[in-house]
This record gives sequence, C-alpha cells and structure tokens, in this order.
Amino acid sequence: DAGVIQSPRHEVTEMGQEVTLRCKPISGHDYLFWYRQTMMRGLELLIYFNNNVPIDDSGMPEDRFSAKMPNASFSTLKIQPSEPRDSAVYFCASRETGGSEKLFFGSGTQLSVL
Amino acid sequence: EDKVVQSPLSLVVHEGDTVTLNCSYEVTNFRSLLWYKQEKKAPTFLFMLTSSGIEKKSGRLSSILDKKELFSILNITATQTGDSAIYLCAVVLPPSGSGAGSYQLTFGKGTKLSVIP
Repeated sequence: DAGVIQSPRHEVTEMGQEVTLRCKPISGHDYLFWYRQTMMRGLELLIYFNNNVPIDDSGMPEDRFSAKMPNASFSTLKIQPSEPRDSAVYFCASRETGGSEKLFFGSGTQLSVL
Repeated sequence: EDKVVQSPLSLVVHEGDTVTLNCSYEVTNFRSLLWYKQEKKAPTFLFMLTSSGIEKKSGRLSSILDKKELFSILNITATQTGDSAIYLCAVVLPPSGSGAGSYQLTFGKGTKLSVIP
C-alpha cells in the first residue's frame, strides 16, 4: 500500500487566496483525520471523518476552514480566504475501525501564506 | 490547558549517549499512549502502551508507562545521528461533546532530539 497520500507537498500563496489541500487515505481505512502542526501549538486535530461523515470539527479554527470527504478515498481541506497565520504543516492521517488507535500519517503539506 | 506535556522541549547529545524523554498526561478514561518519531516528514509510529509497567522494546528504543503517576518515558541507548528527530507523545482521548464519535489522539508538543557526532 502506498500509505496516506497528500498533495501538494508545498503551497505558497498570498493572503486572501483560496487554498485546497488534498488527501487520499489508506485503502480500507474508514477514519480520516486532519491535523495542523506549528512550532507554537504542536499537532492539533482540526476535524475527523468516519465513513466519509464529519464526526467532530470542533478543532477547526474558524469559518474560513472547511473540509469534505466525498468518498472513501478522497478528502479536501479548504481555507478561504487564507491568512498568514494559517501558515503551518497540515497532515492527514487515517486508521481503520476495530484496529488500534494507531494513526498512519501522510507526508504533510507545508503551507506558506504571504 | 495542555493535557499532554513533554519534556524536555529540546535536547542535544553526543553519539553514544543514552537519553530519556518524558511524557506526562492528564486525561480521564485513559486508553493508551503512543510514541511517534518525526523526522522531516510524516510522524512514524514507534510504540503503543496500554498496560502499566510493561516495557515495549525495539532495538535501542524502549518505552514504559506508569498509569498511577500518569507518565511515560522513551529511552534511546547508544544514540546515533539518525535518531535526530522530534519525538511525539500522544494520548488517546474519549470522544468529545455528547460522546458520539471515536477515540482520538491528542499530541504533546514534542521533544526535539539532536544527536551530534
């Protein structure tokens, strides 16, 4: 299995622009998580899905952030409009029901908002 | 308020040294604690601990959990430059809010380990 796949690896954009991050979980995994990592706050859970349904989005910082999972093999995290304080590494992770709580992470998207 | 606290935040050692990384937590309904290693990209899984006092070991790395005192340690013996990374501790929390949903991981801020030749 190729593991969790994220794209793009790097994204540089200007303040006010829309940013879309993409994730393909491991096949057969029915939980998908979006995390954000910064030096100040570490890894923070933004939102997670089970069977494509958003379960808990309490970590989403504000209405500028939205996430979707239209099918079992694809999810997006969108920021509109982006701001410099959104600059961070965004990770997607997945795991399977009934398995351990161990998460498998993608390589992340390094987002820089200028 | 942080539920998972790691110490030290950073550490510089020489090759061959032994290091101990600490993780303390404050959660109810504890299920398990996980350690991850993060080099330049994705965090990779090291250990999952659920039972107190039972050491998990993999090569030069080992970890143990103390559920009474609410902490875990990660030991690395005979460190090598390839051990340089951020080590993350995560605790499994029960579902938030009404209880719907799944258990999820809450991470500490990590310990940045630098091993110099």
